Amino acid sequence: GESVGLHLPTLSVQEGDNSIINCAYSNSASDYFIWYKQESGKGPQFIIDIRSNMDKRQGQRVTVLLNKTVKHLSLQIAATQPGDSAVYFCAEKGNNDMRFGAGTRLTVKP
Amino acid sequence: KAGVTQTPRYLIKTRGQQVTLSCSPISGHRSVSWYQQTPGQGLQFLFEYFSETQRNKGNFPGRFSGRQFSNSRSEMNVSTLELGDSALYLCASREGGMGEAFFGQGTRLTVV
Repeated sequence: GESVGLHLPTLSVQEGDNSIINCAYSNSASDYFIWYKQESGKGPQFIIDIRSNMDKRQGQRVTVLLNKTVKHLSLQIAATQPGDSAVYFCAEKGNNDMRFGAGTRLTVKP
Repeated sequence: KAGVTQTPRYLIKTRGQQVTLSCSPISGHRSVSWYQQTPGQGLQFLFEYFSETQRNKGNFPGRFSGRQFSNSRSEMNVSTLELGDSALYLCASREGGMGEAFFGQGTRLTVV
């Protein structure tokens, strides 16, 4: 069936380095994608979104890249900080409901 | 604006009981979605309500049900609780069909 999934369950980076979190999706009808960050004990928090008519979108220290050809989504975090440590979820929206990937745990080492 | 509010924050129930969770969306938001989050399965979509109507439903058994009131507040009910229903239940609200979904902090349900 259609699914949203993540390539790696964990990612560890050094403070100050750039982080790249990847996501694969298989529903070609999905037209909207979102990255969420979830810290321990909290609900997911919106980071950045992108529509299917774009291939790149930048926010503050974050960039989302969408490659529709290979159905791949990535989140790049520049100059990763300890406060970026969390679980990151990609989500796709198609046919009205929003489906989430399994999540990647990002750990930032000081 | 106040954020999405979920009550209660924590619940402990025994097998076979039923439970009702509540979600108050952000003022003006008409869409409320429910998700179950477990370490093994991640975030799984339960259902979405829009203007008091269930618009979408995930792959959960009929023991999981929900409803939405005219003020957009939503409740979900789980009957005949099983140990595997232990999870964090998250509610998210949106203004309409697209756009950012704002999440509440969740209700942590433990079934013993």
